[in-house]
Amino acid sequence: GDSVTQTEGLVTLTEGLPVMLNCTYQTAYSTFLFWYVQHLNEAPKLLLKSSTDNKRTEHQGFHATLHKSSSSFHLQKSSAQLSDSALYYCALNSGTYQRFGTGTKLQVVP
Amino acid sequence: NAGVIQTPRHKVTGKGQEATLWCEPISGHSAVFWYRQTIVQGLEFLTYFRNQAPIDDSGMPKERFSAQMPNQSHSTLKIQSTQPQDSAVYLCASRQSSYEQYFGPGTRLTVL
Repeated sequence: GDSVTQTEGLVTLTEGLPVMLNCTYQTAYSTFLFWYVQHLNEAPKLLLKSSTDNKRTEHQGFHATLHKSSSSFHLQKSSAQLSDSALYYCALNSGTYQRFGTGTKLQVVP
Repeated sequence: NAGVIQTPRHKVTGKGQEATLWCEPISGHSAVFWYRQTIVQGLEFLTYFRNQAPIDDSGMPKERFSAQMPNQSHSTLKIQSTQPQDSAVYLCASRQSSYEQYFGPGTRLTVL
């Protein structure tokens, strides 16, 4: 069946350093991948949606590229900010609903 | 647009009691989803309604959990005989387009 894997449970970074959160997936179908961000005590919100294979999508300083050859959709940002501290979920469309990974908590410190 | 509304925001029940969680989707959204959020499992799909009809409940525990959508403006998730392992944040989401889901703030259920 479909699955989404986020290997890092917690990533701690110093402000200003680059961000990379890993996401790999398994699916038998061509589908969209997503990144959602959830700040403390808030609802998850859509951050990025994948485009076509090997095409980069960007929003709010974050970017990700869907690589079907490696089944990956890693989230990146060139320079972390304190306000980026949040829980990040990778997800894919799986039939009728979106299937989520276990999430990566990003902690940005001064 | 008030977004997806969920009530209550926090609920504490004793073991064996019933809990009913409410969701009001965004007006005009035809799809409503329920998810359960825990630290260990992340966001787990529970059930999905489209135009009020139940479409997919493959994520619902077979016993004690039920969901309804009696009209287009609200859905309920009921947990009978709550157990400590049911403690989680229950999130409702609605969707109109083909992909973007809008989540509510969630109901934090604590079963003592």
